[in-house]
Amino acid sequence: LAKTTQPISMDSYEGQEVNITCSHNNIATNDYITWYQQFPSQGPRFIIQGYKTKVTNEVASLFIPADRKSSTLSLPRVSLSDTAVYYCLVGDMGGNTDKLIFGTGTRLQVFP
Amino acid sequence: EPEVTQTPSHQVTQMGQEVILRCVPISNHLYFYWYRQILGQKVEFLVSFYNNEISEKSEIFDDQFSVERPDGSNFTLKIRSTKLEDSAMYFCASSGSTTGSPLHFGNGTRLTVT
Repeated sequence: LAKTTQPISMDSYEGQEVNITCSHNNIATNDYITWYQQFPSQGPRFIIQGYKTKVTNEVASLFIPADRKSSTLSLPRVSLSDTAVYYCLVGDMGGNTDKLIFGTGTRLQVFP
Repeated sequence: EPEVTQTPSHQVTQMGQEVILRCVPISNHLYFYWYRQILGQKVEFLVSFYNNEISEKSEIFDDQFSVERPDGSNFTLKIRSTKLEDSAMYFCASSGSTTGSPLHFGNGTRLTVT
């Protein structure tokens, strides 16, 4: 299983762009990169997933370099409600599923 | 948007009692999971379930725990002889059948063992 490494915490201000980078040096060929957001006392919420290059949806972008050994979650113009813990997971998810291990995540604090 | 639902939202039980945590996964999903999160700690994998059998389990998932899909919609986690250290949030998740399908989580059951 590919282990992930993320910064423990980050601070930002409302309206700024936030980039959270995750390292996954031993990612396997079949692995996808998935980011989740978790608020206190709630379940992790799927944000975005990618395999390579760039993926964008209505809430975030995910940048994955060619070697796939890292990925960066980009949150444009954060608001106070984006204060949460963000987890990067690497694995092949559904289909040939393997257990998915959460790391400690990155605690993002957004200030007014 | 379909979602994973869990009941109850909060369960209080006495040490030594048995509890059953219930989950209704997203209807067309085939893979089911239980995770737990002790207060202030990270989310820990317990078990994954596919085709009516356990496909993976962690060292946490010992003989005290069992899972079942009793009908076409529910997925349950049974904890026998609960201990104080079983107090945690328990999250159910499900995913589709295609490679790369992400996990979708419920909002959890907070289990308090007294």
